[in-house]
Amino acid sequence: GNSVTQMEGPVTLSEEAFLTINCTYTATGYPSLFWYVQYPGEGLQLLLKATKADDKGSNKGFEATYRKETTSFHLEKGSVQVSDSAVYFCALSDRGNQGGKLIFGQGTELSVKP
Amino acid sequence: NAGVTQTPKFQVLKTGQSMTLQCAQDMNHNSMYWYRQDPGMGLRLIYYSASEGTTDKGEVPNGYNVSRLNKREFSLRLESAAPSQTSVYFCASSPGQGGADTQYFGPGTRLTVL
Repeated sequence: GNSVTQMEGPVTLSEEAFLTINCTYTATGYPSLFWYVQYPGEGLQLLLKATKADDKGSNKGFEATYRKETTSFHLEKGSVQVSDSAVYFCALSDRGNQGGKLIFGQGTELSVKP
Repeated sequence: NAGVTQTPKFQVLKTGQSMTLQCAQDMNHNSMYWYRQDPGMGLRLIYYSASEGTTDKGEVPNGYNVSRLNKREFSLRLESAAPSQTSVYFCASSPGQGGADTQYFGPGTRLTVL
């Protein structure tokens, strides 16, 4: 079945450091890929997404590229801020999915220190 | 425009008690979802409703029932709560246009079953 695997957390970085959170997936067909972010005490919100191979999603300085050959969708940011401290979830959805069901990775907690 | 709202925010139950978690969205979305979030396990889909009048099981439906009351509202019922149902519950909605849909999440309900 379909699945998503993320790098283990928590990840602790200093402000202005480079961030990479790894995400790999297993899926039949050609899924859409997502990164969601959960700030403390809140629900999840979409950070970025990509719907086909080689697409790059970007938002708020974060980027991720849909790599079909390596089945990956790693999240990157060049210079993190304290306000980026949150839990990040990678997710996939089958393209022909009735109802758009998402399968989530386990989440990676990021803590950015000043 | 409130987005997705959930009630209650917190709830403590004793084993065997029943309760209903309420969810409503004001975005005229077709699809709605219930997830549970447990430490280290990401979000897992309990039930979803691809469109008004339909409901389907997700990954972890046992012990739960749902009702899609109308296009706006989607409730989750625990008939006889068990400690294993202690979790944070999130409702989400999406336009219902297929696998690349963005899902919009509510703030969550933190449920403890003693």
